[in-house]
Amino acid sequence: GQQLNQSPQSMFIQEGEDVSMNCTSSSIFNTWLWYKQDPGEGPVLLIALYKAGELTSNGRLTAQFGITRKDSFLNISASIPSDVGIYFCAGPLINAGGTSYGKLTFGQGTILTVHP
Amino acid sequence: KAGVTQTPRYLIKTRGQQVTLSCSPISGHRSVSWYQQTPGQGLQFLFEYFSETQRNKGNFPGRFSGRQFSNSRSEMNVSTLELGDSALYLCASSLGQGGNDEQFFGPGTRLTVL
Repeated sequence: GQQLNQSPQSMFIQEGEDVSMNCTSSSIFNTWLWYKQDPGEGPVLLIALYKAGELTSNGRLTAQFGITRKDSFLNISASIPSDVGIYFCAGPLINAGGTSYGKLTFGQGTILTVHP
Repeated sequence: KAGVTQTPRYLIKTRGQQVTLSCSPISGHRSVSWYQQTPGQGLQFLFEYFSETQRNKGNFPGRFSGRQFSNSRSEMNVSTLELGDSALYLCASSLGQGGNDEQFFGPGTRLTVL
């Protein structure tokens, strides 16, 4: 089943507004990744976080690695129409052997709609 | 650097047939992971290959298989197709070592089973 809970499931905003979404888990993650997916395409990596408390920006996007290591947040400032898409959080769920070997677990996604 | 490429982009098959999908990773990446994406289940991990060896496998039936070649290109095969196999199949490449978990996805192959 899903290990990452992402919210909100969808957002409808006006161009120029700021957006916040988050991802929580009952498990600890050592890495948090944020992706954006456009219709019919593969997810594109936006931001990677590797350290608890880390705050990283990529243009108008800012993401944070929660202190508890069980959550992460993504903010988009001054949204524009091309921000439309589905945003996913993801992370490597460590198995009993201490490795994830290429397996990312994904949240359900946040569908973002931006009205001009 | 060229990105991850997947072929074909679209496939239509009928139940009972088999299909092979191909993925070429970013140059220098030795790990290829495969995912199935459906509206109901989201993105689900199929398996991962590193240096021609399967290192990890998700909870999919044995009809789903894969392999990796010495140049890191990977293929996945689905035999005896079922209607529920209709999905977007994504591959992702990464370094696969050194604690770097960043994966870079291809555009996907859209498989429709009739």
